[in-house]
Amino acid sequence: QSVLTQPPSASGTPGQRVTISCSGSSSNIGSNYVYWYQQLPGTAPKLLIYTNNQRPSGVPDRFSGSKSGTSASLAISGLRSEDEADYYCAAWDGSLSGVVFGGGTKLTVL
Amino acid sequence: EVQLLESGGGLVQPGGSLRLSCAAFGFTFSSYAMSWVRQAPGKGLEWVSAIIGSSGRTYYADSVKGRFTISRDNSKNTLHLQMNSLRADDTAVYYCAKVYGDYHLGEVDYWGQGTLVTVSS
Repeated sequence: QSVLTQPPSASGTPGQRVTISCSGSSSNIGSNYVYWYQQLPGTAPKLLIYTNNQRPSGVPDRFSGSKSGTSASLAISGLRSEDEADYYCAAWDGSLSGVVFGGGTKLTVL
Repeated sequence: EVQLLESGGGLVQPGGSLRLSCAAFGFTFSSYAMSWVRQAPGKGLEWVSAIIGSSGRTYYADSVKGRFTISRDNSKNTLHLQMNSLRADDTAVYYCAKVYGDYHLGEVDYWGQGTLVTVSS
């Protein structure tokens, strides 16, 4: 049972916009930055979004992050086949004094 | 170019110990926090531990507290994870991870390739 809650799966067709949610509490998302990671099959995770809504250089602007209260979301617009991957949200949890991850969302491009 | 090279994984019996190492290249190691993140087969990511670069302060997940010890040797640009009293549910790929900066431990900008730890009799 993960501290941050994500839907286990999401899907969309090429060109569509999909959103992945991440729900937490006041001790994590509610008071700290949210990060998003993309993990392609068989590879290490890659930072996709940092400090709630910032993209590292090289990450397409099709990816965007937002946060409101104790929830956050990752939006992917103009869906492409290469976006098929697992996506994880993460945040610092002040009560646990540690980093917490969501359980991950497997994105399928139909 | 930043590189993180893990070593030390393998098969160990329940109750046994293992020491993972991570050699870091391409950045000023002492200036950055470092973490270990694991992933059990077919499962999601789980943060294990972190150590601050400047102070050496350490943090642990409840699931490993008292059994695992994170340490770093800034003179050798190396990160370690000493794992004792290993259990079957510690079986996972363990990733060495560089934090962006020395404060926001959730922000990992570089990952190693991972080393597999299997706890089984």
